Amino acid sequence: DTGVSQDPRHKITKRGQNVTFRCDPISEHNRLYWYRQTLGQGPEFLTYFQNEAQLEKSRLLSDRFSAERPKGSFSTLEIQRTEQGDSAMYLCASSEFNEKLFFGSGTQLSVL
Amino acid sequence: GENVEQHPSTLSVQEGDSAVIKCTYSDSASNYFPWYKQELGKRPQLIIDIRSNVGEKKDQRIAVTLNKTAKHFSLHITETQPEDSAVYFCAARTKTSYDKVIFGPGTSLSVIP
Repeated sequence: DTGVSQDPRHKITKRGQNVTFRCDPISEHNRLYWYRQTLGQGPEFLTYFQNEAQLEKSRLLSDRFSAERPKGSFSTLEIQRTEQGDSAMYLCASSEFNEKLFFGSGTQLSVL
Repeated sequence: GENVEQHPSTLSVQEGDSAVIKCTYSDSASNYFPWYKQELGKRPQLIIDIRSNVGEKKDQRIAVTLNKTAKHFSLHITETQPEDSAVYFCAARTKTSYDKVIFGPGTSLSVIP
């Protein structure tokens, strides 16, 4: 499968726990995005990488959120001390020229 | 900050009729405008896109128009079919700081057989 893959598909956690999600982009894509989507809303921009460099992080994102993309390949998104408001679908997307984003299936996070 | 607005939020049409979804963007330097379709429980998928040096683009039953002066762009679906039922998102690539793609809130389209 040469598409964008995300793991896990679903994550249930208790409030206060840390969670980490993984995204494997399409191999030749140098740009990688993380978005968050809640029911009835559009994807909300979280952060963006070009190769291994994190170019921008949403001002709406608290310090509990961190993302990495070591060696410009896969990326991880970590949420520390999860809160119920973090419950959402976390989508990863990749692109070659910052156009035509290809999305993964997402990780559905539920914080109890 | 950068913003993309979209309306209507819901749209119901009879099969065979046309559907139009409209978006506005705030960053006048935006230069790329994609449209995504998201079926229930699935990932968003690109259906058509347009760059700022083009006023209109068509692909079979779907077309997108762009008015740079008014900062408006629209999606037109003709001869709608039940399989067109989905949520449609417009988006814009903003040019403030590092360019990034931001999305509108979505339009839920229902095509009634």
